[in-house]
Amino acid sequence: DAGITQSPRHKVTETGTPVTLRCHQTENHRYMYWYRQDPGHGLRLIHYSYGVKDTDKGEVSDGYSVSRSKTEDFLLTLESATSSQTSVYFCAISVERSTDTQYFGPGTRLTVL
Amino acid sequence: QKEVEQDPGPLSVPEGAIVSLNCTYSNSAFQYFMWYRQYSRKGPELLMYTYSSGNKEDGRFTAQVDKSSKYISLFIRDSQPSDSATYLCAMSVEGYQKVTFGTGTKLQVIP
Repeated sequence: DAGITQSPRHKVTETGTPVTLRCHQTENHRYMYWYRQDPGHGLRLIHYSYGVKDTDKGEVSDGYSVSRSKTEDFLLTLESATSSQTSVYFCAISVERSTDTQYFGPGTRLTVL
Repeated sequence: QKEVEQDPGPLSVPEGAIVSLNCTYSNSAFQYFMWYRQYSRKGPELLMYTYSSGNKEDGRFTAQVDKSSKYISLFIRDSQPSDSATYLCAMSVEGYQKVTFGTGTKLQVIP
């Protein structure tokens, strides 16, 4: 898993509450990504980061924000969770340039009731 | 139309069979082609990585890229029950910060 951990691994929350997911890497890779995975849609990019405090939007960024204050940590925040954000969230890193192969964390299973 | 199309399966084969998994794509600028394996309730793990056209072999796995047809394949020889997983194709354009994934094909290898 290329030294990637995600926390929490499972979370159940209620509509309207804020939620923060954490991705931690141990190898100081520059590029980090947040994806969500849903049946029939595959992996979809939410946000990515190309350095400390350098982030950009992916294809499904509405309702999500990210922060990266340290190289090793990339946080994904759902400001006000909705049921449509029930999903499995994966963090990934790229060991070289951002278009090279990506390595994934174990995932966070989020349920919004 | 999605940029990357992949048959979701499920695909069931007997142990020892040769498995063929495929993806088609529409973006001719894709240059990097990857296959990931994902076990149930786990993160995707990289299996194979190919740049541009051609074949690449790694043990029982062979990846093929046909850019003229916009078609990539993963072959698994002597399939094992431990190969039962979802296989995701993925591809990217050099210089862009994005990888586009297929939706995955679920494979079951029956003992």
